[in-house]
Amino acid sequence: EPEVTQTPSHQVTQMGQEVILRCVPISNHLYFYWYRQILGQKVEFLVSFYNNEISEKSEIFDDQFSVERPDGSNFTLKIRSTKLEDSAMYFCASSPDRRNEKLFFGSGTQLSVL
Amino acid sequence: GENVEQHPSTLSVQEGDSAVIKCTYSDSASNYFPWYKQELGKGPQLIIDIRSNVGEKKDQRIAVTLNKTAKHFSLHITETQPEDSAVYFCAPNTGGFKTIFGAGTRLFVKA
Repeated sequence: EPEVTQTPSHQVTQMGQEVILRCVPISNHLYFYWYRQILGQKVEFLVSFYNNEISEKSEIFDDQFSVERPDGSNFTLKIRSTKLEDSAMYFCASSPDRRNEKLFFGSGTQLSVL
Repeated sequence: GENVEQHPSTLSVQEGDSAVIKCTYSDSASNYFPWYKQELGKGPQLIIDIRSNVGEKKDQRIAVTLNKTAKHFSLHITETQPEDSAVYFCAPNTGGFKTIFGAGTRLFVKA
């Protein structure tokens, strides 16, 4: 069964450093998303991406965040200058043909900012 | 924006019993109503969904019912098993690019 893959599974970084979280969505999906989840809390929307551009972003997704789909398969989230409060599990998701329906999630990247 | 509430926040049942989780939403334009299951250390996984033109959908031991007038939908799990223990999230959507997840319901199934 096709799946969304995320790397790395864990990332530890120093405050102020840049991190790039990588995702390979399911190959024939059209819509791509990043969510985050602070331990024990709800899943929070960050950004959605369609047709090679950002469709919508939340208030969390400020100028420190960016997304890219550099080739036909990868989808990346970059945090330019990490803050302590960026520590969370980051999930990539993709959906096939209707926006925000039938989301397939990856297993996540646990980001720890020290 | 959409306001989503789930109840209860925690639910503990005996194996074999039924479990019901309710999701209330505020945006009357919502037309897609999914439930996701999240096991420890994993991403959420879609388990069942329903559209606004359907009142109920069933898939083996799980079912979703929708009350559009009252703006709520519910997840029903019958004959619960220990492997049903997880956190369940609702995520009603209007068809826009942004999905708001409920706060989650932690289900414990005691063997």
